[in-house]
Amino acid sequence: QKEVEQNSGPLSVPEGAIASLNCTYSDRGSQSFFWYRQYSGKSPELIMFIYSNGDKEDGRFTAQLNKASQYVSLLIRDSQPSDSATYLCAVNSGNQFYFGTGTSLTVIP
Amino acid sequence: DAGVIQSPRHEVTEMGQEVTLRCKPISGHDYLFWYRQTMMRGLELLIYFNNNVPIDDSGMPEDRFSAKMPNASFSTLKIQPSEPRDSAVYFCASSLRRQSTDTQYFGPGTRLTVL
Repeated sequence: QKEVEQNSGPLSVPEGAIASLNCTYSDRGSQSFFWYRQYSGKSPELIMFIYSNGDKEDGRFTAQLNKASQYVSLLIRDSQPSDSATYLCAVNSGNQFYFGTGTSLTVIP
Repeated sequence: DAGVIQSPRHEVTEMGQEVTLRCKPISGHDYLFWYRQTMMRGLELLIYFNNNVPIDDSGMPEDRFSAKMPNASFSTLKIQPSEPRDSAVYFCASSLRRQSTDTQYFGPGTRLTVL
């Protein structure tokens, strides 16, 4: 069973703060890692992906990958109320996608 | 492009009835995925197709579920007979090719309620 674990939250941060979302995975053979954002009642939309150890930055978002420790994280800088959503971690393993159950983030104005 | 199109957006039915969900992938995408999302289990992959051929249906919960893709622009997910535990949001997604960094684009989903 290939598992992707996320803290369900809810995670609350004040506006302007850094939100840190974490994800662990069980399959060491996992090849690439994705963060999706899902607003309530909407479909998931891709924020970014990462496949090499280290950091990858895209605007206010930074994905961090540590394959040795089998975790991937998403940092959101200068959090905005519009970032309030559920964030899904997804892992590509053996050409299959496995999703975590998501972390609910609330950014408080 | 209009994106992935799903219909209906909402479906309410009674236990024992047949339910058919429909999906039109993004034109040119050769992979199509069916997911189910519930609060308890999150997003689960049910089945995916490559070039209209089912590749992996190991996520299909039981024989009551079936999926077809008769051509590159249309797929159906059928539940017969439906049960209350099938209530969930069903998403269809498509992607251009099956490489590790390719993005799956999700449709708006069908919210199914089985009474």
